[in-house]
Amino acid sequence: NAGVTQTPKFRILKIGQSMTLQCTQDMNHNYMYWYRQDPGMGLKLIYYSVGAGITDKGEVPNGYNVSRSTTEDFPLRLELAAPSQTSVYFCASSSTGGHYEQYFGPGTRLTVT
Amino acid sequence: QQQVKQSPQSLIVQKGGISIINCAYENTAFDYFPWYQQFPGKGPALLIAIRPDVSEKKEGRFTISFNKSAKQFSLHIMDSQPGDSATYFCAASISGNQFYFGTGTSLTVIP
Repeated sequence: NAGVTQTPKFRILKIGQSMTLQCTQDMNHNYMYWYRQDPGMGLKLIYYSVGAGITDKGEVPNGYNVSRSTTEDFPLRLELAAPSQTSVYFCASSSTGGHYEQYFGPGTRLTVT
Repeated sequence: QQQVKQSPQSLIVQKGGISIINCAYENTAFDYFPWYQQFPGKGPALLIAIRPDVSEKKEGRFTISFNKSAKQFSLHIMDSQPGDSATYFCAASISGNQFYFGTGTSLTVIP
């Protein structure tokens, strides 16, 4: 199993551009999450999904959108990129049934200039 | 508002010593308290986790102590090794939905 994969690994965006961060998991997990990690701030939840077709906002959803059309994929869309969205983005997944262990992807480092 | 408060921000320990990291929370609805270990350039990885119906959980050299009345929990790393040098995050969750992370502790174990 590849676990949780994220693409791209690095990206530089200009202010106002848009992009999609891809996340795929092959563990048949129902729960998927998007976090951003800023220095000294820990991880902040952007959006999460408890199953295909279901998404919900986390702590810091503004400026982002998600979709969950399949169990495997959970893309994160940035519209009108701003310097405040410069961060490292992590995708994670977990199974249900009371087993909450999250498996994280390797991250995407995004710079908006 | 930080839902989970973590301290210290950084910690330096001699090899063989005990590393202790503390976290505190306010929301009594949290029912799952994991600790994650993160190496530079990598995603966090689950180290150990506890639920509020037990006061302590031990896995090898890693122990979580949980004080429900004080709304505090801590990670103890016994016999700390240089390979333990990493950033550690505590977190709290309600039913595996939203997770709230602490701000992290950078641990350095000196040989």
